[in-house]
Amino acid sequence: ELKVEQNPLFLSMQEGKNYTIYCNYSTTSDRLYWYRQDPGKSLESLFVLLSNGAVKQEGRLMASLDTKARLSTLHITAAVHDLSATYFCAVDLRPNSGNTPLVFGKGTRLSVIA
Amino acid sequence: DTAVSQTPKYLVTQMGNDKSIKCEQNLGHDTMYWYKQDSKKFLKIMFSYNNKELIINETVPNRFSPKSPDKAHLNLHINSLELGDSAVYFCASSPLGTLSEQYFGPGTRLTVT
Repeated sequence: ELKVEQNPLFLSMQEGKNYTIYCNYSTTSDRLYWYRQDPGKSLESLFVLLSNGAVKQEGRLMASLDTKARLSTLHITAAVHDLSATYFCAVDLRPNSGNTPLVFGKGTRLSVIA
Repeated sequence: DTAVSQTPKYLVTQMGNDKSIKCEQNLGHDTMYWYKQDSKKFLKIMFSYNNKELIINETVPNRFSPKSPDKAHLNLHINSLELGDSAVYFCASSPLGTLSEQYFGPGTRLTVT
């Protein structure tokens, strides 16, 4: 059974600090997706990582993918309150197939405090 | 311009009732999905449709019946609702191609009492 594991599941961090969220998965997929969900809202696509070694950055968030280790990281730099949300990583149900459902991790609930 | 829309946004009903949730996407995508998000925020795929055809049914009870009248619409009908069906249901779509990046609707919060 395909598994996607995130840690930590809960993260409380101070503004200005750095931290990393980890996503391990059991499939051979070369692709990984990161989503953000605000409370009571939908999911917003943050990053699509397409190959081994892929790195993408948007503002204070940077995501990377190591397909050999089956590991993706989401690094937060100098956290601000606006980053408070739940972050999900996901992989293709059918590895490297298009138009396949995603299998999600349990999400990391991030709270940035002053 | 709403890309993926769902109706209703909230649905409160009693056990045993039958209800439907509608989903429409105006992105021109070929594949649509239904996901269920439980009270612990865990997201799980229920169904996947590609150009009106059912592709994936992930061991969902047969009380749940999706219907796709055309590739822009994917509705979810639920018979004999149970307490455990309470959740947020998300519709999503993705374009034809090698990627599965999905665009999610706003969700429908279903509460069964």
